[in-house]
Amino acid sequence: EDKVVQSPLSLVVHEGDTVTLNCSYEVTNFRSLLWYKQEKKAPTFLFMLTSSGIEKKSGRLSSILDKKELFSILNITATQTGDSAVYLCAYKYYGGATNKLIFGTGTLLAVQP
Amino acid sequence: DAGVIQSPRHEVTEMGQEVTLRCKPISGHDYLFWYRQTMMRGLELLIYFNNNVPIDDSGMPEDRFSAKMPNASFSTLKIQPSEPRDSAVYFCASSLTVYEQYFGPGTRLTVT
Repeated sequence: EDKVVQSPLSLVVHEGDTVTLNCSYEVTNFRSLLWYKQEKKAPTFLFMLTSSGIEKKSGRLSSILDKKELFSILNITATQTGDSAVYLCAYKYYGGATNKLIFGTGTLLAVQP
Repeated sequence: DAGVIQSPRHEVTEMGQEVTLRCKPISGHDYLFWYRQTMMRGLELLIYFNNNVPIDDSGMPEDRFSAKMPNASFSTLKIQPSEPRDSAVYFCASSLTVYEQYFGPGTRLTVT
């Protein structure tokens, strides 16, 4: 059965810390892995990763995919209270006529002042 | 653009009642997705449409759930009859492709 596992489930850090969030997957028909940030309301798109070893970067956030070991990490440097959110990873499932995202359960990050 | 619009934002209803959730996708987006989010199960895809046609409804829990998309600018998710275990936040999302989905603010459903 396909699955996406995120760790840790939750994390509390102080402003300025660096955090690493993990997403491991066991899926068939893997195409891409995506990261979303969910604050109080709806998830918002961060990154899409398709190739191994190529880092995607946006400001203090960066992410990389390892297709051999079947995992991805999301790094946040110099964390700020505004980074507090649930971070979701998802893989793009492709099977015949269906083409959809399957989400992990998320990592809850709390950044304290 | 106003983004994905969902209504109502909150719904409290009694077990056995019919519930209808509404969604207006971003204009021009060909894909529309309905998700349910709970603490226990996370974010689950219920059904998605491409060009108003349902493509994959394998995530719809049971016959009590139904979804329609009569035109490119409107979709509904109906639960009849509702049960307490249906309590969750229901998100609608739309996109040009499957990847970068834009989520609406969600409808928080409470069934007592």
